[in-house]
Amino acid sequence: DQQVKQNSPSLSVQEGRISILNCDYTNSMFDYFLWYKKYPAEGPTFLISISSIKDKNEDGRFTVFLNKSAKHLSLHIVPSQPGDSAVYFCAASDNYGGSQGNLIFGKGTKLSVKP
Amino acid sequence: GAVVSQHPSRVICKSGTSVKIECRSLDFQATTMFWYRQFPKQSLMLMATSNEGSKATYEQGVEKDKFLINHASLTLSTLTVTSAHPEDSSFYICSARDRAGFYNEQFFGPGTRLTVL
Repeated sequence: DQQVKQNSPSLSVQEGRISILNCDYTNSMFDYFLWYKKYPAEGPTFLISISSIKDKNEDGRFTVFLNKSAKHLSLHIVPSQPGDSAVYFCAASDNYGGSQGNLIFGKGTKLSVKP
Repeated sequence: GAVVSQHPSRVICKSGTSVKIECRSLDFQATTMFWYRQFPKQSLMLMATSNEGSKATYEQGVEKDKFLINHASLTLSTLTVTSAHPEDSSFYICSARDRAGFYNEQFFGPGTRLTVL
């Protein structure tokens, strides 16, 4: 059973517009969420994270929103740039529960930003 | 930021041979390292968690005799794919958790592309 779901396998956005990547989770014990960016044939790189005590975290063009009641988080990229084209993975963990702090990944969403 | 290296970056081997992949944390100590596998167009699949000085914990469905993991020091973990077969061809990625850092943060290596002929 997938605990972290990214239901959109791909997303195409025009340069300069907003990209919104979505992620849903089922385990209410998750208390920390991360977004990773991955280029082909490379390891994932950390992008931004959010603790369950917050509902928003912003870092430059990247903002992550967390809706705990809906068990949903989203990553907003604005303005989108062609260099943002990559696969974005949502990950979740819980410090004291079953995952013991390990990361549970979604399947990823491939973002294509067109010039 | 914290740097994790992997060696080799890509390897091609014959069926039946064994391949060793190294994962090193370059500027921090990692008490815990993770090994992931990624198939094309799929997510990262956690294979095992290794803690320095103790046996690795394997995820369900991962053969521990096939994928030997050793975490001999705070900066080095190795994954050995024994008697490799074509179905073992995949992209293997390691990550490391900074001993002094935030509990959940993992830093990923660049990955190793394994092709078994």
